[in-house]
Amino acid sequence: GDSVTQMEGPVTLSEEAFLTINCTYTATGYPSLFWYVQYPGEGLQLLLKATKADDKGSNKGFEATYRKETTSFHLEKGSVQVSDSAVYFCALSDGTGGSYIPTFGRGTSLIVHP
Amino acid sequence: NAGVTQTPKFQVLKTGQSMTLQCAQDMNHEYMSWYRQDPGMGLRLIHYSVGAGITDQGEVPNGYNVSRSTTEDFPLRLLSAAPSQTSVYFCASSSPKANIQYFGAGTRLSVL
Repeated sequence: GDSVTQMEGPVTLSEEAFLTINCTYTATGYPSLFWYVQYPGEGLQLLLKATKADDKGSNKGFEATYRKETTSFHLEKGSVQVSDSAVYFCALSDGTGGSYIPTFGRGTSLIVHP
Repeated sequence: NAGVTQTPKFQVLKTGQSMTLQCAQDMNHEYMSWYRQDPGMGLRLIHYSVGAGITDQGEVPNGYNVSRSTTEDFPLRLLSAAPSQTSVYFCASSSPKANIQYFGAGTRLSVL
């Protein structure tokens, strides 16, 4: 079945540092890939997505590129801010069995210090 | 726009009590889902629905019931609460065309 593996956290960085959160996946079809973000006390919200190989999703300075050859979708940001402190979830959806209910990774907590 | 609305936000139950977590969406989405979030476990799918009158089990369905009589509502029922059901519960909705999940703010449930 489908699965998503994320690097374990927490990831602790100083403000303006470079961020990478690794995500790899296993899927039977050709999935769409997503990053969702959960701020403290809130539900998840979409950060970015990519629907086919070599697509780059981007939003709020975050980027991730769909790499089919390495089955990866790593999240990057060049300069993090304290306000980026949150939990980040990688997810995939491939329409298996006619359902587009996504499969989520376990989440990676990011803590950014001033 | 209201989006996905979950009630209540907080709930404390005693073992063996029953309750219903409410979820409503105003985006006319076909798909709705319930997840639970526990430390170190990420999000786990409990039940989902691909349309009114259609429901299916997710990864951790035991102890929970659902029904979908309208497009807008997808309540989650705990028939006999257990301490293992202490968790944060999230409802989400989506349309297969856009394929983006919209989440509610969550219900924090404690079972004593």
